[in-house]
Amino acid sequence: GQQLNQSPQSMFIQEGEDVSMNCTSSSIFNTWLWYKQDPGEGPVLLIALYKAGELTSNGRLTAQFGITRKDSFLNISASIPSDVGIYFCAGGSQGNLIFGKGTKLSVKP
Amino acid sequence: DTGVSQDPRHKITKRGQNVTFRCDPISEHNRLYWYRQTLGQGPEFLTYFQNEAQLEKSRLLSDRFSAERPKGSFSTLEIQRTEQGDSAMYLCASSWQENYGYTFGSGTRLTVV
Repeated sequence: GQQLNQSPQSMFIQEGEDVSMNCTSSSIFNTWLWYKQDPGEGPVLLIALYKAGELTSNGRLTAQFGITRKDSFLNISASIPSDVGIYFCAGGSQGNLIFGKGTKLSVKP
Repeated sequence: DTGVSQDPRHKITKRGQNVTFRCDPISEHNRLYWYRQTLGQGPEFLTYFQNEAQLEKSRLLSDRFSAERPKGSFSTLEIQRTEQGDSAMYLCASSWQENYGYTFGSGTRLTVV
């Protein structure tokens, strides 16, 4: 079946740092989305990408839909404490979403 | 509109019991999805409805699982004869047509003891 490889699995951030994470797939997707999930809550949509090569921003977040339609990345600029959480990529095709395993963002001690 | 609502938020049940969860989607959305999420994993697709029709079911949805959306509005997910492996967060989401920007509810956390 389709699988998404999301990396890194986890990372520590210091306030003000830029963060980058990515997602690759063995299959082509028509849509790539990025979600953030806080503990005990459902995922919240951050950015949706509908076209290969598309680069979209949402405030400090920027995401791109890879030209091969098999990958996507998410960048967070100038991170702040409320950015901590788990970020999921999701690829859409045939009516449902396939999710990656998530990138856990934590604050550096 | 208050978004996607799920009830209950938490459920603890004994192995072998039946449980039922409810999801109320965003009223304008005609598609409703059920996902399951275990610790350290992303959500896994279970099934989805367009209006009252159940259009796709995952292999994860064993015979003990059944979902309904009788009037094309709210949906229920029932698990019969629960097993410890059913312990997970059950997430509901809704969307308008094939707009993949699903809106998720806060989930129902099931613990089978």
